[in-house]
Amino acid sequence: EPEVTQTPSHQVTQMGQEVILRCVPISNHLYFYWYRQILGQKVEFLVSFYNNEISEKSEIFDDQFSVERPDGSNFTLKIRSTKLEDSAMYFCASSESKGRDGYTFGSGTRLTVV
Amino acid sequence: AQSVAQPEDQVNVAEGNPLTVKCTYSVSGNPYLFWYVQYPNRGLQFLLKYITGDNLVKGSYGFEAEFNKSQTSFHLKKPSALVSDSALYFCAVRDIGAGNNRKLIWGLGTSLAVNP
Repeated sequence: EPEVTQTPSHQVTQMGQEVILRCVPISNHLYFYWYRQILGQKVEFLVSFYNNEISEKSEIFDDQFSVERPDGSNFTLKIRSTKLEDSAMYFCASSESKGRDGYTFGSGTRLTVV
Repeated sequence: AQSVAQPEDQVNVAEGNPLTVKCTYSVSGNPYLFWYVQYPNRGLQFLLKYITGDNLVKGSYGFEAEFNKSQTSFHLKKPSALVSDSALYFCAVRDIGAGNNRKLIWGLGTSLAVNP
């Protein structure tokens, strides 16, 4: 069964450093998303991406965040200058249609900012 | 605005007993509803979805959910709980927005503990 792949599974970074979280969505999917979850709490939407541009972003997704689909397969989330409160589990998801066929999530990247 | 409510932070059930994890939603139009499960230190696993059709939806691991339009509910059920079902369960509804905004709106999650 096709999977969404996320790397790395765990990243530790110092406050103020830049991090790039990587995702490989399912190949025929067109809609891509990033969500985050702080310590087993609620899942929060960050950004959606379609046709090489951001469709929607949340208030969390400020100027420190950016997304890119550099080569038609990878979908990356960059945090320019990490803060302690960015420590969370980050999930990438993709969907083929506008959700009718469901959303497939990656296994997540646990980001720890120290 | 679209929203999802999971009224119970935690549900405890004895192994072998039926379980129900509650979810209610508020959305304009016809909802697309989803249940995901998260085991400790793991990702979000899809359980089942309701898009249209039969109100009773069957999913993975013996779970099912009933869509009730009049009560705006989508409760997750299983006839006989297993200890291995202990996990965090999330209900979600697809946002209905203009253009290509199709994000999921999430409930706060319900922690299910199945006691042996």
